[in-house]
Amino acid sequence: DAGVTQSPTHLIKTRGQHVTLRCSPISGHKSVSWYQQVLGQGPQFIFQYYEKEERGRGNFPDRFSARQFPNYSSELNVNALLLGDSALYLCASSSSPGLGEQYFGPGTRLTVT
Amino acid sequence: GESVGLHLPTLSVQEGDNSIINCAYSNSASDYFIWYKQESGKGPQFIIDIRSNMDKRQGQRVTVLLNKTVKHLSLQIAATQPGDSAVYFCAENSEGYSTLTFGKGTMLLVSP
Repeated sequence: DAGVTQSPTHLIKTRGQHVTLRCSPISGHKSVSWYQQVLGQGPQFIFQYYEKEERGRGNFPDRFSARQFPNYSSELNVNALLLGDSALYLCASSSSPGLGEQYFGPGTRLTVT
Repeated sequence: GESVGLHLPTLSVQEGDNSIINCAYSNSASDYFIWYKQESGKGPQFIIDIRSNMDKRQGQRVTVLLNKTVKHLSLQIAATQPGDSAVYFCAENSEGYSTLTFGKGTMLLVSP
């Protein structure tokens, strides 16, 4: 059974551009969370979606947005990219939005030049 | 892949030793804690979890201890192996949903 998958693996963008990152959760999981991991730090929570609704949002600017589709896959969008947005973007899935183990994908490495 | 461990606290041990990685968490209302292992170029991998109504939980070669009085979590790895070399993060659940707040991380280096 496939784990959490993310695409693309790596991405290079220029300041001011926008980017869309994609995530497919583990089959049967209805909750998807997004995290940003800057080099040398722990992941920071961006969004959680459950059953296509936003259930939580971290301390990130409105340039960051996300959505979840009927098949529970998810997209993270970042507009007006800044150099500081360069990071590993991680997607995690879980069976419910409550307490419980989250399974992480391999991440998308975004570099903004 | 790029290292996730730049400027992190580092614990160096010999193969076969027991390792103890410590974590101080911030939110006294947190009621669920997880330890993750992250190898270079990969996403975090679940190791073990513990709920706040417990103070100890054991897995295969790993034990997590929770001290709610001083908001301290530790991960003990028995008979550490070179394959255990990675960055280890503790994470706490906040706000009732499965949003996790991660600690800074500790790099574990195991020499043969």
